[in-house]
Amino acid sequence: EAGVTQFPSHSVIEKGQTVTLRCDPISGHDNLYWYRRVMGKEIKFLLHFVKESKQDESGMPNNRFLAERTGGTYSTLKVQPAELEDSGVYFCASRPTTLNTEAFFGQGTRLTVV
Amino acid sequence: GQSLEQPSEVTAVEGAIVQINCTYQTSGFYGLSWYQQHDGGAPTFLSYNALDGLEETGRFSSFLSRSDSYGYLLLQELQMKDSASYFCAVPSNNAGNMLTFGGGTRLMVKP
Repeated sequence: EAGVTQFPSHSVIEKGQTVTLRCDPISGHDNLYWYRRVMGKEIKFLLHFVKESKQDESGMPNNRFLAERTGGTYSTLKVQPAELEDSGVYFCASRPTTLNTEAFFGQGTRLTVV
Repeated sequence: GQSLEQPSEVTAVEGAIVQINCTYQTSGFYGLSWYQQHDGGAPTFLSYNALDGLEETGRFSSFLSRSDSYGYLLLQELQMKDSASYFCAVPSNNAGNMLTFGGGTRLMVKP
């Protein structure tokens, strides 16, 4: 079974540009999460989808970040325009509704804004 | 709000035992999880404790004391491949929704 996959694995962009990150969750997982780890600090929650609906987006830092999950399958996280402080590793995780205790993470996208 | 504290770094030698502590402050408690992350890799689930006591899975064990708001991850017979970051985390509710993570403990295993 394929795990959570994220694309790209690395991205280097200039301040002011736009970047779109993609996450393909494990097939059948209704719950999809985005997290971010900045500068070796804690992994912080950004938002949570249940199928195509945003369940909780309380962790989104500002309106430069836009997440979508059309059709309830893969998700995208767009940063526009990117700022220096957006640099970090963006993780996606998924979880089936029947399992409350474990989330399955992707390898992350390392975003560097220069 | 929720916050978790864990040491930033621990060093141990191959074959030894190491304990990584985690203290937490939460408005509601629904269990304590541990994740392992190798550099450049995905955080991987290790364990989950909902009740007090010790849970053992091979060389790794996890302990929880709800009265002390404290837990730890115990790694025995350390191997070089155990060098990684270890995160404790708590869910926001009992439906397993958003996780709040500690800052991570970087474990370095030396020969």
